[in-house]
Amino acid sequence: QVQLQESGPGLVKPSETLSLTCTVSGGSISSYYWSWIRQPAGKGLEWIGRIYTSGSTNYNPSLKSRVTMSVDTSKNQFSLKLSSVTAADTAVYYCARGDVLLAPWGQGTLVTVSS
Amino acid sequence: QSVLTQPPSASGTPGQRVTISCSGSSSNIGSNYVYWYQQLPGTAPKLLIYRNNQRPSGVPDRFSGSKSGTSASLAISGLRSEDEADYHCAAWDDSLSAFYVFGTGTKVSVL
Repeated sequence: QVQLQESGPGLVKPSETLSLTCTVSGGSISSYYWSWIRQPAGKGLEWIGRIYTSGSTNYNPSLKSRVTMSVDTSKNQFSLKLSSVTAADTAVYYCARGDVLLAPWGQGTLVTVSS
Repeated sequence: QSVLTQPPSASGTPGQRVTISCSGSSSNIGSNYVYWYQQLPGTAPKLLIYRNNQRPSGVPDRFSGSKSGTSASLAISGLRSEDEADYHCAAWDDSLSAFYVFGTGTKVSVL
């Protein structure tokens, strides 16, 4: 079955850009929406945005000015970039297949913003 | 930024029925499907209910979802210890800046 795995630096300095990649295995990345979600410690889930394999994107209005998503179908990967990070961006970041029906999810990766 | 409101906690004893509410507005729950996700301690969320009341393969029929107007509910009947988890509702929001919104989350405890 399809599995997702997030990867990227676990520590990012304030004002820098957070970059994460989600690798899809067990199935093709093509013809699906792919989403990013984050969860600060002890808090609820926040939708960051979604990308279709054509490259079409939708972002959370509260993050839109800082978010860029991309997809690489040749590598079966999609990526997230979040610029100008602050401590408020510290969270577990999840990738998931889908636009509104999110399944499956990756296991999540903790990103800490600190100098 | 959550625009879907859930009670922070709910609890019950084994075998009881527990219901979790999710309150939204006409731009989200009122005009779109509701989804529910279960997040066991220390793990990633998992799809529990889709399109208001549909269960993915493998989800026990003890879990049921419903929607009425701008609110939705998740019911867990025959509560079991393994149901102790956080539950999150979600829906697409058709406001000026369309986006997917999650609820505030509910922690279910089995006493």
